[in-house]
Amino acid sequence: KNQVEQSPQSLIILEGKNCTLQCNYTVSPFSNLRWYKQDTGRGPVSLTIMTFSENTKSNGRYTATLDADTKQSSLHITASQLSDSASYICVVSGGSYIPTFGRGTSLIVHP
Amino acid sequence: GAVVSQHPSRVICKSGTSVKIECRSLDFQATTMFWYRQFPKKSLMLMATSNEGSKATYEQGVEKDKFLINHASLTLSTLTVTSAHPEDSSFYICSARRLGLEQFFGPGTRLTVL
Repeated sequence: KNQVEQSPQSLIILEGKNCTLQCNYTVSPFSNLRWYKQDTGRGPVSLTIMTFSENTKSNGRYTATLDADTKQSSLHITASQLSDSASYICVVSGGSYIPTFGRGTSLIVHP
Repeated sequence: GAVVSQHPSRVICKSGTSVKIECRSLDFQATTMFWYRQFPKKSLMLMATSNEGSKATYEQGVEKDKFLINHASLTLSTLTVTSAHPEDSSFYICSARRLGLEQFFGPGTRLTVL
């Protein structure tokens, strides 16, 4: 069964600090992995998308890594800002491109 | 960039009425559209996948007669919640995928059934 597990479930950090969110998956065959940011009451917004051959991709202060061998991904947020408070969702698509969603990590950035 | 819109953004209706939610891809043709629902503090749950011009494929446990999906064009899909009940109150999100990998989400529709 295709699964995407994210950790931690929730995280509280101080403004300006860095943090790393984890995503482990069992989706096979693998097509691509995406990280989304979802603000409360809004639709998810894409941060990064990676295919099998990519192991790092950055988008501003967000850097995603992918290890296709161990089926792990991480999202690193640098110099966090209050506006980073949101749910971060890892989504993995398989051969049919039907996505499997992780439950998300709820990040709260305190001043 | 690719933009997906949803209308309405929020709707309140009486129990027993039907509600239609529109999902549009504004600047690209979407070969596939997806409909999700999301309960508070929960992950998005895929309800159905629709390809333009063909019947939607519903996920297990989702009643196709309850949640009618129409994908009449490459830029428009609609979800109709028929005979809505309070337990149908949720956040409904659509996404559209163009040829390739990327999937773009709409802003969501908050449905409240009284």
